Amino acid sequence: QSALTQPASVSGSPGQSITISCTGTSNDVGSYNLVSWYQQHPGKAPKLIIYEGSKRPSGGSNRFSGSKSGNTASLTISGLQAEDEADYYCFSYAGRDTFVFGTATKVTIL
Amino acid sequence: EVQLVETGGGLVQPGRSLRLSCAASGFSFDDYAMQWVRQPPGKGLEWVSGISWNSGSIGYADSVKGRFNISRDNAKNSLYLQMNSLRAEDTALYYCVKGEFGDLRSRWFDPWGQGTLVSVSS
Repeated sequence: QSALTQPASVSGSPGQSITISCTGTSNDVGSYNLVSWYQQHPGKAPKLIIYEGSKRPSGGSNRFSGSKSGNTASLTISGLQAEDEADYYCFSYAGRDTFVFGTATKVTIL
Repeated sequence: EVQLVETGGGLVQPGRSLRLSCAASGFSFDDYAMQWVRQPPGKGLEWVSGISWNSGSIGYADSVKGRFNISRDNAKNSLYLQMNSLRAEDTALYYCVKGEFGDLRSRWFDPWGQGTLVSVSS
């Protein structure tokens, strides 16, 4: 159960797009279409923003999109806004009723 | 409205035990899988354990296997985490999270409670 690998930080200017990668293995990300993404603002509980790799929850912002290729999932945030400054985590089913989080990416708005 | 309220955290000495509870309301608790997730102060999220609607499927992170035990009481709309042989590295904010449906292999887990803080120190 090794943590999925994410870049420690990503930054962008308002209005730009950024992409966060989440690299796992053939035992987790590569084997199941059960990757989700969470946003966490300081002092707050995490919030679901993408599930099943690319789907948005009801009422979710369409500025968030997800994809997956092989053992790597990605989250793209388009039209960056100040409110997007937060920590982001990927999360994947890892088989045999276990799950694993990514290492967290801090998004900074320049 | 779905509400998840975690309780039971506190300061405990290494090697001792603690039992966390999560009181659920606003949904049919016995229809949904549940998870425990923790976050050490200033660090990232770590999945701890999950349980299906009928306790038929249960999983643990390697870091807690053999020490922690997850359970649920559907009649009381409650989720529990019995933590034994606690270590300093178990210090964290512990969150209770609701699944999409009853199977542990839900497509998503949300919402989250506000968490209960466990501190393990002598």
